[in-house]
Amino acid sequence: DTEVTQTPKHLVMGMTNKKSLKCEQHMGHRAMYWYKQKAKKPPELMFVYSYEKLSINESVPSRFSPECPNSSLLNLHLHALQPEDSALYLCASSQVSRQVNTEAFFGQGTRLTVV
Amino acid sequence: AQSVTQLDSHVSVSEGTPVLLRCNYSSSYSPSLFWYVQHPNKGLQLLLKYTSAATLVKGINGFEAEFKKSETSFHLTKPSAHMSDAAEYFCVVSVMNRDDKIIFGKGTRLHILP
Repeated sequence: DTEVTQTPKHLVMGMTNKKSLKCEQHMGHRAMYWYKQKAKKPPELMFVYSYEKLSINESVPSRFSPECPNSSLLNLHLHALQPEDSALYLCASSQVSRQVNTEAFFGQGTRLTVV
Repeated sequence: AQSVTQLDSHVSVSEGTPVLLRCNYSSSYSPSLFWYVQHPNKGLQLLLKYTSAATLVKGINGFEAEFKKSETSFHLTKPSAHMSDAAEYFCVVSVMNRDDKIIFGKGTRLHILP
């Protein structure tokens, strides 16, 4: 199984709503990532988890709250978002190794629209 | 610090002709380099990777790339373009054993002309 599964595929939410994006992988990867991608732009790193601990937060606003409940799951909790937060949110995972650089496997993304 | 520069934001080629997508990198350490492809409204798919083994790397769908340390380049090529190759291509540098980051280039949109 070399898949990263993201749910939901599409999400429309109001600015006062609370919602969560979910990401799951069963490849035994211990690094997991959230990226935000606007149209016609490269993905921008938001968060990195390594061994279920937050290792990188790229100065993301607190209305985005990541959670890594176990080594297979990664959530992104959303609250009080703004219309400019509308984007494709990508989850990725990779091995953690201090000897070998490995590729990241990406999910298909959640297309988020904030109204 | 690591960075990656994709030299062309758009490339147009005719179907059946060669493809060249250019990428230059900067890294203080031995990098791993990757090419990903993204079709519209889809996630990213790994095309190929370089991780300090052979400098000429073959990937999926007939793509290949050559790591040239002297030129700090990792250009992506394909001998004959197919209509289904039309997509966005990202060159990526990773130095996972240093800062756990994966750095994306700005992307190159590949257009295939009939």
